[in-house]
Order: sequence, then C-alpha cells, then structure tokens
Amino acid sequence: GAVVSQHPSWVICKSGTSVKIECRSLDFQATTMFWYRQFPKQSLMLMATSNEGSKATYEQGVEKDKFLINHASLTLSTLTVTSAHPEDSSFYICSAPLLGHGANVLTFGAGSRLTVL
Amino acid sequence: AQSVTQPDIHITVSEGASLELRCNYSYGATPYLFWYVQSPGQGLQLLLKYFSGDTLVQGIKGFEAEFKRSQSSFNLRKPSVHWSDAAEYFCAVKNQFYFGTGTSLTVIP
Repeated sequence: GAVVSQHPSWVICKSGTSVKIECRSLDFQATTMFWYRQFPKQSLMLMATSNEGSKATYEQGVEKDKFLINHASLTLSTLTVTSAHPEDSSFYICSAPLLGHGANVLTFGAGSRLTVL
Repeated sequence: AQSVTQPDIHITVSEGASLELRCNYSYGATPYLFWYVQSPGQGLQLLLKYFSGDTLVQGIKGFEAEFKRSQSSFNLRKPSVHWSDAAEYFCAVKNQFYFGTGTSLTVIP
C-alpha cells in the first residue's frame, strides 16, 4: 500500500540551528503533501500544504520564514525549521493523499520528533 | 467555524469490555468524518471513514462508528477491546484538516 516515510524520526539540535525534515511518498506520487505539528497530549494542527513545483500554502499563524517548505519533486517534501528555539520542539507529521481517494483520505508518516536545546 | 470535539481525554477499560469513544463535530455541510489510531512510534492509521450512505460504518480491527446527524456525532465503538488497542485515538473532519484533541485509551488486563 501507499506509504509515507519521514526522516529523521527524531532529532536533537542546539538553539539557533536549522533542522530539515524529509517526507517521502514511497511507490506513489504526491503533488500535495500536508505538514502537521503535534504538541504532547494535544491534537494535530495543520501547518501548511506543500505543493509540488509551487509555493506552500501556510495556515494562519504559521510563520513561513520560520518553517520553510519545499516540494521539489513528486515524491519529496521537506520542512526546514530555521533558527530553531526550544519552543519549536514538537512532533512534526507529514501526510499525502491516498491514491484513488482524491484528497479525501490521507496516509501519514510516522512523524519526526524535534527537541531544541 | 469547523471544529471537532472529543470530550474524553482518557479512558480506561478492561480487556474484553466494550468501548465507545465520543466525537462531536461542528461543520456547515455534510462532513467527511474519520477515525485514526496513533500508536507510539507509528504514524496515524486510518480506522474508518464516513462520506455518505449507510450511517454505520465498519472499519479495521473490529471497530465501527455511527454517524448521527441530529447529534452531530460520530462515535467509535468496539464490542470487545484487546490489550493491543491501547493507543491514542483521533477523530477528524473534512479532509483531515481538523482533528479532535484525541482520546488516550488504556486497557487493563
């Protein structure tokens, strides 16, 4: 079945550095991918919609200069947390629409846990 | 505005007992509704979905959910819980842009 792979699954970085998280669709193409953020014991919050070959669409309140999204190919979207600070520590999850269901059903990556010291 | 509410933050049930997780939504039109399960270290897995038609939908792992328009609810049920069902459960609406806060399920032997 359609699988979305995220890398790294966890990362620790120093404050002020940038971290890149990759989201790959395996065995299928995804012109659109979605990035979520999940705080402990809380829900998933949609951050942005990643569009292959064009700019990402960010949700209200999400800093586009802080969370850079690039969707350079039909199987890869990246999220770069720039100048990371401890408050950026979170669980980041990407997803892509399942084939045959349009945009109505998503398959999710396993997530990437970011800890900023 | 669209929203999803899961009133129960945490539920504990005994193995073999029945389970019902509540989900209420606020949406202007007939919504697409979903239930996902999240286990530690794993991605969200789709349990079932409702788009239209029969209001009682069957999902994987023995789960089912019933859409009740009059109550704006989409509660998840399972007749007999297994220890492996312990996880976080999320209800979502529309294209999964809006998730509930989740219900953590603990299963005791």
